Amino acid sequence: AAGVIQSPRHLIKEKRETATLKCYPIPRHDTVYWYQQGPGQDPQFLISFYEKMQSDKGSIPDRFSAQQFSDYHSELNMSSLELGDSALYFCASSLQGRSNQPQHFGDGTRLSIL
Amino acid sequence: DAKTTQPPSMDCAEGRAANLPCNHSTISGNEYVYWYRQIHSQGPQYIIHGLKNNETNEMASLIITEDRKSSTLILPHATLRDTAVYYCIVRVALQGAQKLVFGQGTRLTINP
Repeated sequence: AAGVIQSPRHLIKEKRETATLKCYPIPRHDTVYWYQQGPGQDPQFLISFYEKMQSDKGSIPDRFSAQQFSDYHSELNMSSLELGDSALYFCASSLQGRSNQPQHFGDGTRLSIL
Repeated sequence: DAKTTQPPSMDCAEGRAANLPCNHSTISGNEYVYWYRQIHSQGPQYIIHGLKNNETNEMASLIITEDRKSSTLILPHATLRDTAVYYCIVRVALQGAQKLVFGQGTRLTINP
């Protein structure tokens, strides 16, 4: 079965640069979530979109923004990158028409800031 | 969302059943119990979820107590590939996106 696709898998940037992470949800899924997992930490929710509208916001820095496009894929844009942004970034998708449906995660993007 | 409490670590012998407990004493009537696991640095993997009835799928069984204040995830025949951090998460099921709040989880080690 098709899974959540994230790109790139690995990304190396320097401080103050920008980065864009992409997420392609499971076909027919209308909801996308972004999570950040720092070294040795548990995943932390950043932001979510339902039917292309932002639906919830967590501990996402103002330097980050995200959107969901008409084909339901999502992009997380990160600017003025800091060393502390080095982390795994996971995208998950779900079908919210049935509200108890689980989220399914991609394999993540490993972002390293030098 | 209700807070969950899990043991930080557990060990289990390969081939035996692994029973992972979770306490969620403040769970509300409309909150589901979800289990995910994360194998080293991979994306969290959905395992199973339930509301009040016991559930079983090809990966595991979920036993929820009658008062719904605790649950147990059962991996019937653990293999080395089941070594992972297991997260018990309680979440309201509402229309629209509902985030997952990950706690510390249980680090399960399957020993040969």
